[in-house]
Amino acid sequence: AQKITQTQPGMFVQEKEAVTLDCTYDTSDPSYGLFWYKQPSSGEMIFLIYQGSYDQQNATEGRYSLNFQKARKSANLVISASQLGDSAMYFCAMGSGAGSYQLTFGKGTKLSVIP
Amino acid sequence: EPEVTQTPSHQVTQMGQEVILRCVPISNHLYFYWYRQILGQKVEFLVSFYNNEISEKSEIFDDQFSVERPDGSNFTLKIRSTKLEDSAMYFCASSGFTGGLDTQYFGPGTRLTVL
Repeated sequence: AQKITQTQPGMFVQEKEAVTLDCTYDTSDPSYGLFWYKQPSSGEMIFLIYQGSYDQQNATEGRYSLNFQKARKSANLVISASQLGDSAMYFCAMGSGAGSYQLTFGKGTKLSVIP
Repeated sequence: EPEVTQTPSHQVTQMGQEVILRCVPISNHLYFYWYRQILGQKVEFLVSFYNNEISEKSEIFDDQFSVERPDGSNFTLKIRSTKLEDSAMYFCASSGFTGGLDTQYFGPGTRLTVL
């Protein structure tokens, strides 16, 4: 069974500062993927970034980067230069397999960006 | 940019009634999913669908639930006799297949309220 743990129910960050959202995972699968999704107050789930378990380099997508530490089973999301529009719930998720797969989500972290 | 669409955005129904939630996945995607998120809780997997049959389902997806791809574009979730505890946001997602773990893209969700 797969498990995702997000220990920060809420985080505050000053606008233009960087923030790290924590995610640890547990799985017995040798091959897996880690995902981060953003859920604004409007409710939709927006894909942000993906890291494969065999990827040698940490994933980056614009202001988002993933600090992947395989030995520690952590996949923290780093948001640089925070903007007011970054205020949202952030969910870490994982899946394994190829083709069809089930995503297992964490409980999420609510990020609030302060002007 | 292609996106997953869902209708309706809100559905209010009486307990015991049948509801059908509709989704149009991204056109060249092969794998389709339903997830639900009870208010304030994490996102939970319900079912995955490929090649016109269910690939995997969770314990939540009992006999009250069914999925169908009635034509080449729509993907539906039917709840036969709704219960109060079915009140949740229901997300449809789809993914392609490039040989690995392809990202699941989510629709905007349908908020179901059972009275």
